[in-house]
Amino acid sequence: EAQLVESGGTLVQPGGSLRLSCVASGFIFSGQSMNWVRQAPGKGLEWIAYIKSTGEISHYADSVKGRFTISRDNAKSSLYLQMNSLRDDDTAVYYCARGRGSSVISTHIFDPWGQGTLVTVSS
Amino acid sequence: QSVLTQPPSVSGAPGQRVTISCTGGSSNLGAGFDVHWFQQLPGTAPKLLISENTNRPSGVSDRFSGSKSGTSASLAITGLQAEDEADYYCQSYDYTLSGWVFGGGTKLTVL
Repeated sequence: EAQLVESGGTLVQPGGSLRLSCVASGFIFSGQSMNWVRQAPGKGLEWIAYIKSTGEISHYADSVKGRFTISRDNAKSSLYLQMNSLRDDDTAVYYCARGRGSSVISTHIFDPWGQGTLVTVSS
Repeated sequence: QSVLTQPPSVSGAPGQRVTISCTGGSSNLGAGFDVHWFQQLPGTAPKLLISENTNRPSGVSDRFSGSKSGTSASLAITGLQAEDEADYYCQSYDYTLSGWVFGGGTKLTVL
């Protein structure tokens, strides 16, 4: 069974940095694209970053472009999100999700999701 | 303001049927991109409920069904049960944003 486990969430001050991790198991990690999705307290879901299976291509939502970087280590079955210049409105639960499907990324299905890790940006 | 529009809430009595709508535009649902539905039970992560407009993953009850037409999609839940109380989200791809978009979510209350 495919599983994802995130870690790294904590309280951080505005302007600070943080790196989240997501460890995968139960599937061939190196063959699947991955995503980060976040959910602010009491709010809906927001896709923020995508990375291709090989790590050579990534895409970002405008809300995080230039501040966040998605990366992966296929040898460790791990996905990362480096978050810099954090703002109050980055406070959210951050989920990693596998993007399964063909080479056409628009067809990808987000399944499964991890349990999430909470990032709180506050002074 | 979400790119995909869902009603904030719906409700129904046990055993009843409810539907949740998801309205998009010409750059997402109207462009032919599939819609997917997720169920988020209180305090848990989202779980895939319906993929590619109408497909139920293994283990999902056949009380859940999806449909899509043009710029709109719907999730139907029949034989409502207390355990169906959750938030439901639709999702698709948007080519002008070059990324995935979600609806704002619909809270289902079983009366």
